[in-house]
Amino acid sequence: QVTLRESGPAQVKPTQTLTLTCSFSGFSLTTTKMCVSWVRQAPGKALEWLALIDWDDEKYYSSSLKGRLTISKDTSKNQVVLTMTNMDPVDTATYFCARTNVYDSNGYYLHFFDYWGQGTLVTVSS
Amino acid sequence: DIQMTQSPSSLSASVGDRVTITCRTSQSIASYLNWYQQKPGKAPKLLIFAASILQSGVPSRFSGSGSGTDFTLTISGLQPDDFATYYCQQSYSAFRGYTFGQGTRLEIK
Repeated sequence: QVTLRESGPAQVKPTQTLTLTCSFSGFSLTTTKMCVSWVRQAPGKALEWLALIDWDDEKYYSSSLKGRLTISKDTSKNQVVLTMTNMDPVDTATYFCARTNVYDSNGYYLHFFDYWGQGTLVTVSS
Repeated sequence: DIQMTQSPSSLSASVGDRVTITCRTSQSIASYLNWYQQKPGKAPKLLIFAASILQSGVPSRFSGSGSGTDFTLTISGLQPDDFATYYCQQSYSAFRGYTFGQGTRLEIK
């Protein structure tokens, strides 16, 4: 059974750095082609993809937030950590982590988010 | 970045109706397109990946089609459980970033 759970502070102050942890079970990030992503959703707004880390430790980031984001993994703990620097009130959102699986067929290689955590609401306020 | 445009942004329909949601991308993405359903206060749920492949456990009344820049999600025979918000998402290139559409809210008429 695949589960993911996000943890971190419920509130941070502007300019602070946010650190979120995704703890997962039921799969391993040492499995070839397995990945984990972070996605956020501001209140009443659409989903926004933030970052992805794969089994080979390759990392990809949203271009609009690149420079503020760092994603890392600890395979021994089955955890993925996202840090976001210089937090602003516009970063107030629910942050989700999601297992990112791959559809691989005849050289066609597509990522999709098949299991999600429940999300954690982070409020940025002084 | 690849831009996504979903339409309509909201939709009212009745149980039993057939509805179609459209997603258009700013450049061709072949079939690198996924669809998700989200209910208030919940995480999204994967419905369809690679434009037309139904995720395991998802009812067959959901179907997806399209390639290139134009994609559709169709729900045939709406059920009460289907009233939710639907998002498309492109997975064309992780290097260039993945993006979601702005969502389509499906409401009961």
